[in-house]
Amino acid sequence: VTLKESGPALVKPTQTLTLTCTFSGFSVSTNGMRASWIRQPPGKALEWLARIDWDDEKFYSTSLKTRLTISKDTSKNQVVLTMTNMDPVDTATFYCARHDSSGYYFDNWGQGTLVTVSS
Amino acid sequence: QTVVTQEPSFSVSPGGTVTLTCGLSSGSVSTSYHPTWYQQTPGQAPRTLIYNTSTRSSGVPDRFSGSILGNKAALTITGAQADDESDYYCVLYMARGIYGFGGGTKLTVL
Repeated sequence: VTLKESGPALVKPTQTLTLTCTFSGFSVSTNGMRASWIRQPPGKALEWLARIDWDDEKFYSTSLKTRLTISKDTSKNQVVLTMTNMDPVDTATFYCARHDSSGYYFDNWGQGTLVTVSS
Repeated sequence: QTVVTQEPSFSVSPGGTVTLTCGLSSGSVSTSYHPTWYQQTPGQAPRTLIYNTSTRSSGVPDRFSGSILGNKAALTITGAQADDESDYYCVLYMARGIYGFGGGTKLTVL
């Protein structure tokens, strides 16, 4: 199972960021699949953002839920994250991760993609 | 909002034992939070060390162990090695579908 994040390396303040996580070796339609997005500003801690399940149930960070949308495209085997109204403080490496079957932890991580917010 | 707490930094001598902890700003950590520990080296994605409080992930050396100590989750490294120098993050399952990351502990082996 491999996960690969992709998206713009640079976005302008106030723009909307769209990131894609492409799964290989595993179908996002699999019963019990859960996937999350996590971010990490340079030199700072990891922060969980959102989770989507195989049945399309979604969960969001309380502090960011108004800005986040998580979805999946089963035809492309991808999980997508959008974050609106980007600000320089949102500069971070964004990771997607698959959960284990229980959903309690992340058992596979992508390599991450760095997104810089700057005008 | 309840915050997940970790020591910002810790130091251990090679061959020594160190225990990192993971607590809550309000309340106690129990197995119901399914504590998980991740190791991260610079420029790399996190690696799962311990899940469900004390289960080692595949390939993780047995010098890493997890437990509940008092009101916190704990990660103990017994016989620390130079390549254990990393950042360590705990994650707690805070509520259905909601995860809380600690601020991370930077471990120095010297």
